[in-house]
Amino acid sequence: DIQMTQSPSTLSASVGDRVTITCRASQTSISWLAWYQQKPGKAPKLLIYKASSLQSGVPSRFSGSGSGTEFTLTISSLQPDDFATYYCQQYNSYPWTFGQGTKVEIK
Amino acid sequence: QVRLVESGGGVVQPGRSLRLSCVASGFTFRSYGMHWVRQAPGKGLEWVAVISFDGGNEYYADSVKDRFTISRDSSKNTLYLQMNSLRTEDTAVYYCAKDTGDLPLDYWGQGTLVTVSS
Repeated sequence: DIQMTQSPSTLSASVGDRVTITCRASQTSISWLAWYQQKPGKAPKLLIYKASSLQSGVPSRFSGSGSGTEFTLTISSLQPDDFATYYCQQYNSYPWTFGQGTKVEIK
Repeated sequence: QVRLVESGGGVVQPGRSLRLSCVASGFTFRSYGMHWVRQAPGKGLEWVAVISFDGGNEYYADSVKDRFTISRDSSKNTLYLQMNSLRTEDTAVYYCAKDTGDLPLDYWGQGTLVTVSS
């Protein structure tokens, strides 16, 4: 199984900050990587697919990059609505696997 | 608009069974693969199972293999998860989600809570 490791686990930031979250795959080069945002008590929301494609309706301050086994999610200017937990997920092969999550907190 | 509504959660004793349902609307259900994803209280997301658009293929997480069965009834626009031999570690909110191929899980339901406890 492909294990996904995110860093950091928690991130404290201020409104307007540039934020970067990293996700690494344990093995093999993957092409199919997604990023989700989850707020407390809510279902996850797809932000990025195929590593760098922005889902329809998602603000352009969100971007994804990377290839092979290392990927990043960047929020160019953190907004109040962005404080949440973010997960990466590989859908290269079954079983699909998620990273452990990165909680973005208010500094 | 796309809507996914889960039901069937509740409190169940270890070793017992439970069946979850997910009713879909707003899209052509029979054309898309469907997944179950769960989240234990205070924990991260865990992918559980997938069924192909035509029901011909299924895959499971190792943690539920041989205990859970995913199925679908396209005449009812409904996805199911039959959960047998439940364990305390199966306690979680269970979400159904739609798969559009390139876009892995683009729509999710609101989730249904399953609590396994004696």
